[in-house]
Amino acid sequence: DVKVTQSSRYLVKRTGEKVFLECVQDMDHENMFWYRQDPGLGLRLIYFSYDVKMKEKGDIPEGYSVSREKKERFSLILESASTNQTSMYLCASSFPHWDTNEKLFFGSGTQLSVL
Amino acid sequence: AQSVTQLDSQVPVFEEAPVELRCNYSSSVSVYLFWYVQYPNQGLQLLLKYLSGSTLVKGINGFEAEFNKSQTSFHLRKPSVHISDTAEYFCAVSAHTGGFKTIFGAGTRLFVKA
Repeated sequence: DVKVTQSSRYLVKRTGEKVFLECVQDMDHENMFWYRQDPGLGLRLIYFSYDVKMKEKGDIPEGYSVSREKKERFSLILESASTNQTSMYLCASSFPHWDTNEKLFFGSGTQLSVL
Repeated sequence: AQSVTQLDSQVPVFEEAPVELRCNYSSSVSVYLFWYVQYPNQGLQLLLKYLSGSTLVKGINGFEAEFNKSQTSFHLRKPSVHISDTAEYFCAVSAHTGGFKTIFGAGTRLFVKA
């Protein structure tokens, strides 16, 4: 089974802290994504990466950065956490094409609370 | 750039009634279209997707969706819902270019009542 593993299920941080969210996939997928999910707003794309060391901004990149040094790992960094970054963060991965067998594979999510 | 609009934030419906969840998208390039479902306290699962060919696609659990290019819509339908269909449904679009990034709508919460 494909696995997308997010390092923490729940995380509590203080305002101003630097926060790292880690995501690892075992399917050799080129594409990796970070979304945040908020009630009434759905999933909003923060950043995505289509290759090692490649990244592109999504719709809401402000206050976030990412790192992809190895193909299987995609990290989301909150440089200085703020309360409005309290959210569920979802990592996903996929191949860079769609066919009958392809889809986004999601991790189980990290619920981040910034106090 | 692509965007997705799910026209209903909540849809209450009685068990065994038909349901339609509406999705419109905008894009300057050709797209692939998806519906994902999230059951309470669970992760997202792919329900169905449109890649090409027949505009009517069938998915899991009796759901189907119709791609309408002229109306830029991809509405999800089920002829008879069950209590177990209570979940949040997300429409998503992925462009044929730009690394195939996938953009989601805000979601529609389907609530099936007995």
